[in-house]
Amino acid sequence: QVQLVQSGSELKKPGASVKLSCKTSGYTFTRNAINWVRQAPGQGLEWMGWINTNTGNPTYAPGFTGRFVFSLDTSVSTAYLQITSLKAEDSAMYYCARDRSSGRDFDYWGQGTLVTVSS
Amino acid sequence: QSALTQPASVSGSPGQSITISCTGTSSDVGGYNYVSWYQQHPGKAPKLMIYDVRKRPSGVSDRFSGSKSGNTASLTISGLQAEDEADYFCISYTSSSTYVFGSGTKVTVL
Repeated sequence: QVQLVQSGSELKKPGASVKLSCKTSGYTFTRNAINWVRQAPGQGLEWMGWINTNTGNPTYAPGFTGRFVFSLDTSVSTAYLQITSLKAEDSAMYYCARDRSSGRDFDYWGQGTLVTVSS
Repeated sequence: QSALTQPASVSGSPGQSITISCTGTSSDVGGYNYVSWYQQHPGKAPKLMIYDVRKRPSGVSDRFSGSKSGNTASLTISGLQAEDEADYFCISYTSSSTYVFGSGTKVTVL
């Protein structure tokens, strides 16, 4: 069965970097894009962008350029989200979600990774 | 891109039907038949319930149905059950080739 398993919670200081992982299984990794979604405390969900798992080409939503980097390791069917120069406002739950083939929606989601940025 | 507008909460008694709205603009909800709905129980990953406005993925109960009129999409849950108590949110594809999320609705089964 399709699974997206995300890495565990992170506690980081302002200015540090963090790299979150989203390990997939149960399907051919390169056939479906991976999206990243952020949910800040008490806020709604925001689409951060997506990465083409076939070409490795990332697309970032407005507001998520510069400090946010999507990457892949196709050998282990894993997508990554790196955030640099962390700020307190980056504290949030981060989800990865798979694009449904030929669709405009997300058919499987990871369980989320909580990132806390605090001095 | 502003978030799609959903009611903060909707409640109903077991067996009743409830409807959750998701209002956007002609650049998102109104412009495409790419509205999807998700259910999320506390501490769990979201689950796709409806895609392409009204289609149900395999395994999703037919008590869940979707529709759209103009810039507003709706999710109806019929025969409300205790297990339906969860947060629900919509997502729409947009004219900027991005996605915009709904503000989320908490469904309470009385």
